[in-house]
Amino acid sequence: DIQMTQSPSTLSASIGDRVTITCRASQTISSWLAWYQQRPGKAPKLLIYQASSLESGVPSRFSGSGSGTEFTLTISSLQPEDSAIYYCQQYNSFSPTTFGQGTKVEIK
Amino acid sequence: EVQLVESGGGLLQPGRSLRLSCTASGFTFDDYAMHWVRQPPGKGLEWVSSISWKSGTIGYADSVKGRFTISRDNAKNSLFLQMNSLRAEDTALYFCAKGRMTKIVVVTSDAYDIWGQGTMVTVSS
Repeated sequence: DIQMTQSPSTLSASIGDRVTITCRASQTISSWLAWYQQRPGKAPKLLIYQASSLESGVPSRFSGSGSGTEFTLTISSLQPEDSAIYYCQQYNSFSPTTFGQGTKVEIK
Repeated sequence: EVQLVESGGGLLQPGRSLRLSCTASGFTFDDYAMHWVRQPPGKGLEWVSSISWKSGTIGYADSVKGRFTISRDNAKNSLFLQMNSLRAEDTALYFCAKGRMTKIVVVTSDAYDIWGQGTMVTVSS
């Protein structure tokens, strides 16, 4: 199976900061990558699909980039409601889908 | 409103069986693949199983293969997960999720755009 490794595991940032989370795949997955946000006690919410496509209704401060094995999720200006755990997911058709271990974003 | 509602979770002993259900509303259920994802307490997300829109393609994680069976009833907008020979390591919050793309054949090649709130399964003696 393809392993997904996120970094950092936790980050602490201030309101208005630019925040970047990285996700690396153990083998190439083209652009078959999604990002999810999970707030405490809630279900995951799709933010980005196909590496860089913004899901409908998601604020434009969220963006995704990358292809192959290295991907990033960027929050351009961190807001209080962005405090959550963020997961990447690869969905390459030649392998079972797998998730990263998660990155916890805290507000300073 | 597009919605998924899971039910059927509970506390049970190792080796027992349980059937989870997920009822969909607000979208054309039989156009989309459906998925089960689980999350052990305090841990990350793990894909469990997927089923295509007409049940023609099914996939399972190695950790549940041979013990769990996914199925769907398109007439009742419902998804199911039959869980047999349960183990302590199956303890988790089980989410059902809707695939984003319509009528895909390769059920593992999709992101999940709608999630239910989850149903908790606890396996303990």
